[in-house]
Amino acid sequence: KNEVEQSPQNLTAQEGEFITINCSYSVGISALHWLQQHPGGGIVSLFMLSSGKKKHGRLIATINIQEKHSSLHITASHPRDSAVYICAAVTGTASKLTFGTGTRLQVTL
Amino acid sequence: EPEVTQTPSHQVTQMGQEVILRCVPISNHLYFYWYRQILGQKVEFLVSFYNNEISEKSEIFDDQFSVERPDGSNFTLKIRSTKLEDSAMYFCASKVDVGEKLFFGSGTQLSVL
Repeated sequence: KNEVEQSPQNLTAQEGEFITINCSYSVGISALHWLQQHPGGGIVSLFMLSSGKKKHGRLIATINIQEKHSSLHITASHPRDSAVYICAAVTGTASKLTFGTGTRLQVTL
Repeated sequence: EPEVTQTPSHQVTQMGQEVILRCVPISNHLYFYWYRQILGQKVEFLVSFYNNEISEKSEIFDDQFSVERPDGSNFTLKIRSTKLEDSAMYFCASKVDVGEKLFFGSGTQLSVL
């Protein structure tokens, strides 16, 4: 059974700070998603990666397959980045997602 | 950007009643999923659907649950006899191919009284 762990569970940052959220998983995966969930509940996929690093705007995601670890970085954080960030591992022939518990990020002015 | 559409956004039902949650995936997508999130807990996989059949299902997806793609556009989740513990946000998701981006609907909040 794949376990996906995230840290920290909660994170408060001031605007402009560099933020890192970590994710580790216990079994081999084909890819990993970083997702954003806003208070209304909707989920948006930010990245899907299977190796190396991806960048989109102020967001950077990295993955180390050998160490079974991924990180999401937010540079120059802004209050609009406040949300729950979730990592989810892709496994199986059906490519189902196993979700982490999420990191609740609050960015203040 | 194309969207996955879910209806209704909220559904309240009595225990023991049947409910059908509806989803319209993005039109050229081939892989379909249902997930749920009980309040305060992490999102859980329920079922995946490809080529008009279930490709994988979780332990949660017991005989009370079924999925259907009746007309080539809608993708439905039916719960035959709802229980209190079925109260959750149910998310539909779809993607065009295995290694591609997954798109989520905005969810249906199901409350079983």
